[in-house]
Amino acid sequence: QVQLQESGPGLVKPSETLSLTCTVSGGSISSYHWTWIRQSPGKGLEWIGYIYHSGSTNYNPSLKSRVTMSVDTSKNQFSLKLSSLTAADTAVYFCARAVYYHLDYWGQGTLVTVSS
Amino acid sequence: EIVMTQSPATLSVSPGERATLSCRASQSVSSNLAWYQQKPGQAPRLLIYGASIRAPGTPGRFSGSESGTDFTLTISSLQSEDFAVYYCQQYTNWPTFGGGTKVETK
Repeated sequence: QVQLQESGPGLVKPSETLSLTCTVSGGSISSYHWTWIRQSPGKGLEWIGYIYHSGSTNYNPSLKSRVTMSVDTSKNQFSLKLSSLTAADTAVYFCARAVYYHLDYWGQGTLVTVSS
Repeated sequence: EIVMTQSPATLSVSPGERATLSCRASQSVSSNLAWYQQKPGQAPRLLIYGASIRAPGTPGRFSGSESGTDFTLTISSLQSEDFAVYYCQQYTNWPTFGGGTKVETK
């Protein structure tokens, strides 16, 4: 059974950069697309972007200038960096596995609050 | 961006009754449509993909259908564990989600 687990800080200051890591267990990261999704009361569910095991990426056009994703196949992990944070970036962040762009396995989610 | 509009926002249903949830796309998404169920404090769970294909583990009482840009999720006989929020998601171009339908006890 594939399992995903997000890790990272729960509180980040405005203008700083958020860094989250997703660890995949029970399966190899060397296939599929690996994604980051966020959920906030104001904007609902929002697909942030995805990365393939080769390192190729595709980001949400509305966030593209602030997003960087990376993958470490040796650790079965992939990561998200989101820069220039504002209060609008406060959300629950999920990592998930995409099979032809539908999401079949999800992490439990981690709440990130942007506040000074 | 393709906008997904779900209706109603809230659906009040008694256990054992049929529930019909709607999702409309602002333009054609072909059959590139998935449905998810989310319970409080949990991640969404994939129910349906390809508009009508049940994901592994999805009970047979859940079914999906499409007509043009209109998609429907039907729960034939609502069980207690089905009270939750349901989201549709298109993946024709950049993936987007609908705003959700909350299914609550009548």
